[in-house]
Amino acid sequence: QQQVKQSPQSLIVQKGGISIINCAYENTAFDYFPWYQQFPGKGPALLIAIRPDVSEKKEGRFTISFNKSAKQFSLHIMDSQPGDSATYFCAASYHGNQFYFGTGTSLTVIP
Amino acid sequence: DVKVTQSSRYLVKRTGEKVFLECVQDMDHENMFWYRQDPGLGLRLIYFSYDVKMKEKGDIPEGYSVSREKKERFSLILESASTNQTSMYLCASQTGDSYEQYFGPGTRLTVT
Repeated sequence: QQQVKQSPQSLIVQKGGISIINCAYENTAFDYFPWYQQFPGKGPALLIAIRPDVSEKKEGRFTISFNKSAKQFSLHIMDSQPGDSATYFCAASYHGNQFYFGTGTSLTVIP
Repeated sequence: DVKVTQSSRYLVKRTGEKVFLECVQDMDHENMFWYRQDPGLGLRLIYFSYDVKMKEKGDIPEGYSVSREKKERFSLILESASTNQTSMYLCASQTGDSYEQYFGPGTRLTVT
């Protein structure tokens, strides 16, 4: 059973546009929701993370929106740039132990 | 900077061979993880370890084993490699009091 469902599988956005990636989770015990960014040939790297006691977290052009009642969270990339082209994974964890990852979204930002 | 290194970037092995994938971290992290990454499936946890000589099964441990004899090193072992183990293998480390995982660059294993 997929603990974390991610959509879309791929996304193409114009430079300067907003990229939005969505995730939904099942287990209400999860208390940590990170987003990872992965470039070709590299391992994933933490981009931004949120705990369920806040509804939004912003770091530069990247924002996580969190809806606890709907068990959903999303990544918004404002003013998307070609350098943001990468694969993005959402994840969920309980106490930072076992992590459950989404299936990934391949983002392409067109100049 | 935290550095997680993996012994090989690319590896080609034959069916039935015993395969060792090595992972080393240089930040004295307590926790280490092995994932496999497959297109359309994301990252799936194989095994993890919270301390030397300790190991816990993840979601897909079948066909794999692990070894952690030293804190900085976590090895993934394929006892008898099969073609369905062709995949990208990612190692990660994590401190005991932080949730952030640091990933290595991955080993792309092909089993023929």
